[in-house]
Amino acid sequence: TQLLEQSPQFLSIQEGENLTVYCNSSSVFSSLQWYRQEPGEGPVLLVTVVTGGEVKKLKRLTFQFGDARKDSSLHITAAQPGDTGLYLCAGSNDYKLSFGAGTTVTVRA
Amino acid sequence: DAMVIQNPRYQVTQFGKPVTLSCSQTLNHNVMYWYQQKSSQAPKLLFHYYDKDFNNEADTPDNFQSRRPNTSFCFLDIRSPGLGDAAMYLCATSRPAGGPGEQFFGPGTRLTVL
Repeated sequence: TQLLEQSPQFLSIQEGENLTVYCNSSSVFSSLQWYRQEPGEGPVLLVTVVTGGEVKKLKRLTFQFGDARKDSSLHITAAQPGDTGLYLCAGSNDYKLSFGAGTTVTVRA
Repeated sequence: DAMVIQNPRYQVTQFGKPVTLSCSQTLNHNVMYWYQQKSSQAPKLLFHYYDKDFNNEADTPDNFQSRRPNTSFCFLDIRSPGLGDAAMYLCATSRPAGGPGEQFFGPGTRLTVL
């Protein structure tokens, strides 16, 4: 079983602050996905990173894939209440995903 | 828009009464997955279909079955729901040959067992 460790498990910040979520593994993945899930809804794909060292930006969100393709981070700049949700990282090899336990982010207005 | 659709969004059943959840997709993806997700936890894979081939996870209880009559539809059957089966059930699809293994999820069905 390939395990992904996400940290922190919970994060509560004030609107306008920055935050970073980490996703680490001892296994190498061919790609890694980040999802955001709101209460009562399914996970929504935010980004896929494929190349070691890759950095992708999606508005205020910055995603980085580690050089060895074992770890990743998600950084949110100037967080807004709409960023509140459960953030899941998932490593992909073949066509199955290994999920991290998730980070619950709460952004207070 | 191409998408993954799940019906119903909310399902209430009684202890031991069989229930069927449905999933359809317009993405024309050849792999369909069923996950169980409990509160604030990561989704747990129950099984998946790669085309017509059914693949069960080793720790999925026999109480859970699935059917895929065609490319677009997939069903999750729970033969005798217990209180512990109350959860969000997520359907997802992917097209492995076309990309890096991304999965696209439906909105989920929230199952309540009374």
